[in-house]
Amino acid sequence: GAGVSQSPSNKVTEKGKDVELRCDPISGHTALYWYRQSLGQGLEFLIYFQGNSAPDKSGLPSDRFSAERTGGSVSTLTIQRTQQEDSAVYLCASSSLAGGREQFFGPGTRLTVL
Amino acid sequence: GDSVTQMEGPVTLSEEAFLTINCTYTATGYPSLFWYVQYPGEGLQLLLKATKADDKGSNKGFEATYRKETTSFHLEKGSVQVSDSAVYFCALSNAGNNRKLIWGLGTSLAVNP
Repeated sequence: GAGVSQSPSNKVTEKGKDVELRCDPISGHTALYWYRQSLGQGLEFLIYFQGNSAPDKSGLPSDRFSAERTGGSVSTLTIQRTQQEDSAVYLCASSSLAGGREQFFGPGTRLTVL
Repeated sequence: GDSVTQMEGPVTLSEEAFLTINCTYTATGYPSLFWYVQYPGEGLQLLLKATKADDKGSNKGFEATYRKETTSFHLEKGSVQVSDSAVYFCALSNAGNNRKLIWGLGTSLAVNP
């Protein structure tokens, strides 16, 4: 079956612009996670969804970052007023209880803020 | 809070050499432990995992044993191949922490023919 997909694969934007990153999890996976992979910080957790609820937003670095999930499926991560330090690869993962809670990762969105 | 420490790279080996990448962790409760691999130009893939003390995860010739007494999960392979060149990440998740993955910084491995 289809894996986790993310779009766009690459995004170049100017400082101060808003960006939206999309994640399509594996069908039926109720848990969805966003992570960020950057040169200076390694891999960091951003936010966790269970269904459409986000019980853990502790990794969001600032209030410029927000995320939502609709229909228990697609999730969008929005970064407002982007800064150069937001440049990173943003990764989405999904998991299910039936799958032993293994997290399956998408290919990521590479964000470059000029 | 929970944390993972893994040996820094890069690691450069000749084909058929023995590989060890050290990983230690700090966590409350009983975390699950993972090794993920990222091949050049590809996404993260789960390599192996262990969910309780003394469990051994294995895959593609790689092994790691969950050692609670030393809080370690070292990755080993007896004979590496050029195709094993990749970045390896140690990670943990905790049921009490929404199972989010806490990551080591990654170890880059280059295997020369």
